[in-house]
Amino acid sequence: GAGVSQTPSNKVTEKGKYVELRCDPISGHTALYWYRQSLGQGPEFLIYFQGTGAADDSGLPNDRFFAVRPEGSVSTLKIQRTERGDSAVYLCASSLIQYTGELFFGEGSRLTVL
Amino acid sequence: EDQVTQSPEALRLQEGESSSLNCSYTVSGLRGLFWYRQDPGKGPEFLFTLYSAGEEKEKERLKATLTKKESFLHITAPKPEDSATYLCAVRTQGGSEKLVFGKGTKLTVNP
Repeated sequence: GAGVSQTPSNKVTEKGKYVELRCDPISGHTALYWYRQSLGQGPEFLIYFQGTGAADDSGLPNDRFFAVRPEGSVSTLKIQRTERGDSAVYLCASSLIQYTGELFFGEGSRLTVL
Repeated sequence: EDQVTQSPEALRLQEGESSSLNCSYTVSGLRGLFWYRQDPGKGPEFLFTLYSAGEEKEKERLKATLTKKESFLHITAPKPEDSATYLCAVRTQGGSEKLVFGKGTKLTVNP
């Protein structure tokens, strides 16, 4: 498909474990975003990439969270020492042109920390 | 702090019963207000962008309007397939490219 692809779709882990979530944006989209959505809430901004660099990481909650996009396409969100409060749906989005709010979202990775 | 408040939290309509969803915002300089639709288990889907007070956008049965303090999403003669959660988001001056979302309005349209 031509949409944003996220893997895994569902991840269950134990408290304290390390987790990686992957995002394949739409081909040619230079801007990539990570959001987190808890039940009954709207998406919450985590980080924004323009190309390979993180242009804004102000939404990362603490230093256990880190994201990379080494070649300007695929991105990985990494969470160390997971906590139960990290349980949420992690959404990735991409856009062709920056400075627009027209984001194309993937279906998300649901993370459950036991 | 930038805030987006959506009301009502949930809305039930009969098919054909028109209504409006509200999004009020308190921001330090608006650089765009956005409406998204989200179906269960899916990511949000972009609907509209509004930039200035008085602006209106339409798509099928949906019409979005913007004032200096709020936006409305008007739904005319809704159908069951319009059932979804509708999210409002803003981009602000000094806020880089991040969108600040409201909690959404869950719309159910009964046949």
